[in-house]
Amino acid sequence: DGGITQSPKYLFRKEGQNVTLSCEQNLNHDAMYWYRQDPGQGLRLIYYSQIVNDFQKGDIAEGYSVSREKKESFPLTVTSAQKNPTAFYLCASSIVKGSDSPLHFGNGTRLTVT
Amino acid sequence: GENVEQHPSTLSVQEGDSAVIKCTYSDSASNYFPWYKQELGKRPQLIIDIRSNVGEKKDQRIAVTLNKTAKHFSLHITETQPEDSAVYFCAANVGVGSGGGADGLTFGKGTHLIIQP
Repeated sequence: DGGITQSPKYLFRKEGQNVTLSCEQNLNHDAMYWYRQDPGQGLRLIYYSQIVNDFQKGDIAEGYSVSREKKESFPLTVTSAQKNPTAFYLCASSIVKGSDSPLHFGNGTRLTVT
Repeated sequence: GENVEQHPSTLSVQEGDSAVIKCTYSDSASNYFPWYKQELGKRPQLIIDIRSNVGEKKDQRIAVTLNKTAKHFSLHITETQPEDSAVYFCAANVGVGSGGGADGLTFGKGTHLIIQP
């Protein structure tokens, strides 16, 4: 259910490797977001996109990159420059570009880097 | 930027009692305040939200109040049940009035609500 698909659910990588997390939505939402969740830290915004071919940095964008080539897709790349990449990553979307639209979340990807 | 503080970090109540979670925000321009519930291992889901043009909103056992002057808002759950056990997050929108549109939400750090049988 839900209309937002994140894959894979679990991901393991060696330190120094880049890794890309997938996020696809079929809700026809304009805006998409990536959040990082750590224990006791809540959800912190990494990147967001209001429209195709446009995206903006959030609060903790360092070490991450994104693209928005299609409305349905907003992949997140965790680069080797990210010092503490192990975390739970949540993708979300909202129907319009306004800042008072509810977020719909995917089921998340748990990334472990060793 | 926006800063959202949430208290308490853990709340344990007896089944049937009420639970209250409080949040404060820093940006007086924020005008949208949602609450999300996240069960263990699952995604956050919106349970209720309030906009700054109202002071209170209720949906069955859940209510949210907003005090714009004091910049705080609260979640109230009455007649708590075991299925209410979860982590609850408050949030406030950012970038309001900046022309940037959907700048996302700033979340509190969450409250782990435990319902004791």
